[in-house]
Amino acid sequence: DAGITQSPRHKVTETGTPVTLRCHQTENHRYMYWYRQDPGHGLRLIHYSYGVKDTDKGEVSDGYSVSRSKTEDFLLTLESATSSQTSVYFCAISQSWALNTEAFFGQGTRLTVV
Amino acid sequence: AQKVTQAQTEISVVEKEDVTLDCVYETRDTTYYLFWYKQPPSGELVFLIRRNSFDEQNEISGRYSWNFQKSTSSFNFTITASQVVDSAVYFCALSYRETSGSRLTFGEGTQLTVNP
Repeated sequence: DAGITQSPRHKVTETGTPVTLRCHQTENHRYMYWYRQDPGHGLRLIHYSYGVKDTDKGEVSDGYSVSRSKTEDFLLTLESATSSQTSVYFCAISQSWALNTEAFFGQGTRLTVV
Repeated sequence: AQKVTQAQTEISVVEKEDVTLDCVYETRDTTYYLFWYKQPPSGELVFLIRRNSFDEQNEISGRYSWNFQKSTSSFNFTITASQVVDSAVYFCALSYRETSGSRLTFGEGTQLTVNP
């Protein structure tokens, strides 16, 4: 199994509060991704990183920011959580940018915004 | 635009039945890869297979088989003699090129329930 750890695994937070999710990998992979999973939408890309301090937006990036100060850590921050951000969040890593490279996923973080 | 459609939201079968999960994709790229991932009840996503756009040979791995047809932009997944352990959400995904690397776009997923 790929060494990917997401923390926390479950979180309940109140609307308007900031939340940070952490993804930690031990594989030394260059590429890291944050997805959210919602019924009827599959997985949608929020942000991704192609190196330390190199990040870019995905298709649903509004309301989210990311940071990557070390190869092994990729943080996802909800600056002011809203109920629409209630979701399951997955971190993924991949070794290269080649089209044929499969991504390995963490176990997910279930976030509930009340 | 890149898009993957899995029209079957939920499928329920009885153990030992064969079941096919449909996947239709849209892309203007000539080079791309298609993937299938499995998400069991425990929640993690598990990579099952990849297929490149130039290889239309069907693939078989045990009870699993995949049928890739560029003419219909489909990459269907068949489980033969289904088992309860096959119960999961299955995602089809398309890999495409962006400026800063490749990206995956996923279908909506198909929830497969295999009943004993």
